[in-house]
Amino acid sequence: NAGVTQTPKFQVLKTGQSMTLQCAQDMNHEYMSWYRQDPGMGLRLIHYSVGAGITDQGEVPNGYNVSRSTTEDFPLRLLSAAPSQTSVYFCASSYSSHSRLRSYEQYFGPGTRLTVT
Amino acid sequence: KQEVTQIPAALSVPEGENLVLNCSFTDSAIYNLQWFRQDPGKGLTSLLLIQSSQREQTSGRLNASLDKSSGRSTLYIAASQPGDSATYLCAVRPSDSWGKLQFGAGTQVVVTP
Repeated sequence: NAGVTQTPKFQVLKTGQSMTLQCAQDMNHEYMSWYRQDPGMGLRLIHYSVGAGITDQGEVPNGYNVSRSTTEDFPLRLLSAAPSQTSVYFCASSYSSHSRLRSYEQYFGPGTRLTVT
Repeated sequence: KQEVTQIPAALSVPEGENLVLNCSFTDSAIYNLQWFRQDPGKGLTSLLLIQSSQREQTSGRLNASLDKSSGRSTLYIAASQPGDSATYLCAVRPSDSWGKLQFGAGTQVVVTP
């Protein structure tokens, strides 16, 4: 298993540009989520999904869009990049509360380091 | 709103000493609590997961306890080694909101040879 994979590892954008951060998992997890990590702020939840076709907002959703068309993929779209979106972005996945016989450990990808100038 | 606090924010110990890392949370209605390790510039690695019905979990030199009623978890690392130097984070999963894992800010640990 590759686990949770993220691309790209690094990205530099200019203000106003848009881009998509890719996330994929091969563990057949129902639940996937996106976090951003900033110094002094810890990890904050951006959006999450409890299954294909279902998404919901987390703590800091503004400026980001997500969709979940398959179980494996959960891309994060930055609509119009701003310097405040400079951060490290992590994707994570786990089984959902409906998978009662499975482990509920959350697995994380290696992260994408994004700089917006 | 659930708040997760980790004290101390940073810790330095000599090699061989036992490490004690604390995590407290304000709402005891949790599904589980998970401890992670993060090395500089890297992602999060899961160390231990404790379900709300459990009191502790052990893996090798690591032991995590959970006292849900008092809103506390403690991670013990026995006989610390320089390779244990990292940031340790705890996260709670609220029982009424599976999707919203809530993280503490972490404890940065340095183990000196």
